[in-house]
Amino acid sequence: EAQVTQNPRYLITVTGKKLTVTCSQNMNHEYMSWYRQDPGLGLRQIYYSMNVEVTDKGDVPEGYKVSRKEKRNFPLILESPSPNQTSLYFCASSSGLLYEQYFGPGTRLTVT
Amino acid sequence: QKEVEQDPGPLSVPEGAIVSLNCTYSNSAFQYFMWYRQYSRKGPELLMYTYSSGNKEDGRFTAQVDKSSKYISLFIRDSQPSDSATYLCAIGGIQGAQKLVFGQGTRLTINP
Repeated sequence: EAQVTQNPRYLITVTGKKLTVTCSQNMNHEYMSWYRQDPGLGLRQIYYSMNVEVTDKGDVPEGYKVSRKEKRNFPLILESPSPNQTSLYFCASSSGLLYEQYFGPGTRLTVT
Repeated sequence: QKEVEQDPGPLSVPEGAIVSLNCTYSNSAFQYFMWYRQYSRKGPELLMYTYSSGNKEDGRFTAQVDKSSKYISLFIRDSQPSDSATYLCAIGGIQGAQKLVFGQGTRLTINP
């Protein structure tokens, strides 16, 4: 089954404790992206990757890091999480930016 | 000025009604227009995709683009309770910019 998986689905952590949210896709897609979704603000792009070892900032990259060492994986790293990073995070993949993006199920992160 | 504006609703209508969801955008260089549907606790999924002015129909759904007014719409005919979801417009396609901008999303409820 074609899918994008994210782990964990739910995470509660404390300020400053480094965390990683994993994302994996099995569709051999070149383009992958991370979004955060907040009430009233919609989906905002954090980082995207057009291929292995090629990443670039989206609209809200501050406080986040990404890496793309393998085509199928695109982890999101929060080196020192803060409460304003409490949000719902989605990973997405596609054949290209303007093709259909397949979204993962989301990761709900709470930073206290 | 936000690049994409979408009325967040919520919008509640009776079953069978015609629903109109709308977005406006500010940059006339955008070329691709999409509608995503997001059920509660799920990731968004592509519903409609168009890259030209005019109408595109798919079953009970019609996407309309008016580039001269920078206005896009999604119409749902004979609405069903299963159409209850959040609908997000997404636009992109500025040359040289790997960017897809989402609206805030409109929460729609169809009442039986």
